[in-house]
Amino acid sequence: NAGVTQTPKFRVLKTGQSMTLLCAQDMNHEYMYWYRQDPGMGLRLIHYSVGEGTTAKGEVPDGYNVSRLKKQNFLLGLESAAPSQTSVYFCASSLAGGAQETQYFGPGTRLLVL
Amino acid sequence: GQNIDQPTEMTATEGAIVQINCTYQTSGFNGLFWYQQHAGEAPTFLSYNVLDGLEEKGRFSSFLSRSKGYSYLLLKELQMKDSASYLCAVRPGGSNYQLIWGAGTKLIIKP
Repeated sequence: NAGVTQTPKFRVLKTGQSMTLLCAQDMNHEYMYWYRQDPGMGLRLIHYSVGEGTTAKGEVPDGYNVSRLKKQNFLLGLESAAPSQTSVYFCASSLAGGAQETQYFGPGTRLLVL
Repeated sequence: GQNIDQPTEMTATEGAIVQINCTYQTSGFNGLFWYQQHAGEAPTFLSYNVLDGLEEKGRFSSFLSRSKGYSYLLLKELQMKDSASYLCAVRPGGSNYQLIWGAGTKLIIKP
């Protein structure tokens, strides 16, 4: 099993450009998450999904959109990139929701917006 | 507000023991997680505590005191490969998906 994979690993964008980050998991997990990680701060939840066809906003959703058309895939879109979106983006998944459900993380996408 | 506090950085010697503390203030409590994150890599799960006390798992142990809003991760017989950041995360009450994350503690192991 590959677990959670993310594409691309690294990307440089100019302000105003758009892009889509792809997350895929082969563990048949129901829940999927997008986080951003910035220096000196904890992981912050951008959007999440509790199942195929559902999405919901997290802590910092502005400037991002998501889609979960297939259970195994969770896409994060930036419609008009801004320098403030320079970050490391992690996708995660969990079998279901629940107090002790562990989240499994992908390797991350490093995004630089100039 | 909800917040998690951890020391930013700690240094320890190979073969020694180190304790990484985490204090939290959240709306309710549904469990506390510790994750390990090597530089440039993904966080990986280490432990989960929901009841008070010590959970031991090999060289790593995790302790929780809910009344004090406090946890620690204890690493014994330190190895160079333990150099990493250690992230504390709390699941607040009433949530089955949300995690509040600390900024992480960077642990440097010296020979």
